[in-house]
Amino acid sequence: DAGVTQSPTHLIKTRGQQVTLRCSPKSGHDTVSWYQQALGQGPQFIFQYYEEEERQRGNFPDRFSGHQFPNYSSELNVNALLLGDSALYLCASSFIRGRLGTEAFFGQGTRLTVV
Amino acid sequence: LAKTTQPISMDSYEGQEVNITCSHNNIATNDYITWYQQFPSQGPRFIIQGYKTKVTNEVASLFIPADRKSSTLSLPRVSLSDTAVYYCLVGDMGSQGNLIFGKGTKLSVKP
Repeated sequence: DAGVTQSPTHLIKTRGQQVTLRCSPKSGHDTVSWYQQALGQGPQFIFQYYEEEERQRGNFPDRFSGHQFPNYSSELNVNALLLGDSALYLCASSFIRGRLGTEAFFGQGTRLTVV
Repeated sequence: LAKTTQPISMDSYEGQEVNITCSHNNIATNDYITWYQQFPSQGPRFIIQGYKTKVTNEVASLFIPADRKSSTLSLPRVSLSDTAVYYCLVGDMGSQGNLIFGKGTKLSVKP
């Protein structure tokens, strides 16, 4: 059973460019959340997708957007990249039963470097 | 979501028991306590979750006093491979997708 998979594993982009990161959730999971982790810090919640809609959002600007597909996979898009966007981007999946959620399973992350 | 406070770092030796305590004074009635482990350049990995008293699994034990204002993660007989950052999180079961991470506790296990 494959866990959460993310692609690519590493990426280098130039300031001002746009980037798309991809995530496939663990089998049986229907909810995907994205996190940004700067060096030496804990992960920071960006947003969560469930039933193809953004359900919750953290304190991130509109440059950060996402999408969830019918097969539950998800994309994170970041426009107008800044040097400060350099971080490890983590995808986590879970299964929501009514109001309750299972524990989140994280992928290995995508290391984004903006130069 | 309740804020948590935990030590920035801890040192231990192989074979010892390690206890990491987390304070969460503002925990709400519906909140659970969850611990994650993270190795460098990897995503966090779920360790254990509890609501009250004691929970034990094959990896760790979680002790929660009656007032639930703190919790202690206990790792029995640590090895070098337990060197990692450990995060304590508090939230209701519906917030599994919106996890609030602090800076965690960096555990260093020495031979």
